[in-house]
Amino acid sequence: GAGVSQSPSNKVTEKGKDVELRCDPISGHTALYWYRQSLGQGLEFLIYFQGNSAPDKSGLPSDRFSAERTGGSVSTLTIQRTQQEDSAVYLCASNRDRVTEAFFGQGTRLTVV
Amino acid sequence: GENVEQHPSTLSVQEGDSAVIKCTYSDSASNYFPWYKQELGKGPQLIIDIRSNVGEKKDQRIAVTLNKTAKHFSLHITETQPEDSAVYFCAALSGGSYIPTFGRGTSLIVHP
Repeated sequence: GAGVSQSPSNKVTEKGKDVELRCDPISGHTALYWYRQSLGQGLEFLIYFQGNSAPDKSGLPSDRFSAERTGGSVSTLTIQRTQQEDSAVYLCASNRDRVTEAFFGQGTRLTVV
Repeated sequence: GENVEQHPSTLSVQEGDSAVIKCTYSDSASNYFPWYKQELGKGPQLIIDIRSNVGEKKDQRIAVTLNKTAKHFSLHITETQPEDSAVYFCAALSGGSYIPTFGRGTSLIVHP
């Protein structure tokens, strides 16, 4: 596709439920990032994938958060047992191997009620 | 790790005025400094970037300056227009990392 695509655009879920957020990076981009943007806050790094290397999970806030990237392309961010503080916009970005400009998707707005 | 501070958090200007947003970073090994613009309901988009081997870069109404000694960099927008209204993020990337650290963002409002 022409850009990074994220789905769904919006997700409302009940506290305690699991959610999956999807990211389709730009074709050929080997690096993929997940960031979280809370109201009035900056972009909080969550996880980084680079090719076939082990992902950098250092930003995941708790063990309820996990992510995978299948076939070096599509990535899924999973949040288990969602809490109200998980409400935020989750942004995905991709770029070419070690090239520094990151291209962002439009984000998924998650609301936990 | 890297820490990026961004000021101000909100900036309100009249159309035609200039706007300046400032960022500081902590890691002297950082060598790449991008600026992103985020419009409402959209993801951030790169508008300009600068590397540590230059002190200034311009692109039409936008310019970025870098002071490596003081570890700060700034975004300058001249002749602001209402469509410049958005949230702007600075970021820093260390040579040993592939994960940009972002500032908290500046909400720029340009009044017609």
